[in-house]
Amino acid sequence: SQQGEEDPQALSIQEGENATMNCSYKTSINNLQWYRQNSGRGLVHLILIRSNEREKHSGRLRVTLDTSKKSSSLLITASRAADTASYFCAPGYSSASKIIFGSGTRLSIRP
Amino acid sequence: SAVISQKPSRDICQRGTSLTIQCQVDSQVTMMFWYRQQPGQSLTLIATANQGSEATYESGFVIDKFPISRPNLTFSTLTVSNMSPEDSSIYLCSVVGGDLGYTFGSGTRLTVV
Repeated sequence: SQQGEEDPQALSIQEGENATMNCSYKTSINNLQWYRQNSGRGLVHLILIRSNEREKHSGRLRVTLDTSKKSSSLLITASRAADTASYFCAPGYSSASKIIFGSGTRLSIRP
Repeated sequence: SAVISQKPSRDICQRGTSLTIQCQVDSQVTMMFWYRQQPGQSLTLIATANQGSEATYESGFVIDKFPISRPNLTFSTLTVSNMSPEDSSIYLCSVVGGDLGYTFGSGTRLTVV
């Protein structure tokens, strides 16, 4: 299967707390991407990490990649109400391969 | 990264009719992808559209139901044919953005009545 599998399926945290989502995949990758989708809208690319990278940061986002375990995690620090969305990981098998999406993690931030 | 203009943003259609969705990209791209997102579900890839060749459809999707055109490197259309209420979904197009990941259109919310 080419898709990533996100875990947990749903996550509810208090505003200001950190949120961690995990992604597992089956076969060797070229890169792994994370996307966010706010309710009923288009997807927004958050971050891309290459197979030879172990960690990457972008603002409040921190992504790790463990190719030996075929897994990745997305950490959102100091969560805000605007972070409420569905988050998807997307394993990339080349620089321009199709993306097959998993079910995603639905993140809810409580005020 | 590329910017995609997707039209229409939403439509309500009668069953048995067809709707054509357009995606215009502000730069030339080799591949475009079309997705469907049914209510409460994740995105499902319908097909990959390359300029100058027939689209490649994923399992469960057929050209007669979802014909795709790709007349040049900046434009593509997806038609949802002979619609039924089960086709009510959000349809999105996407292009490769290199190191910046993939860019998605804002989506077309289709309701079939």
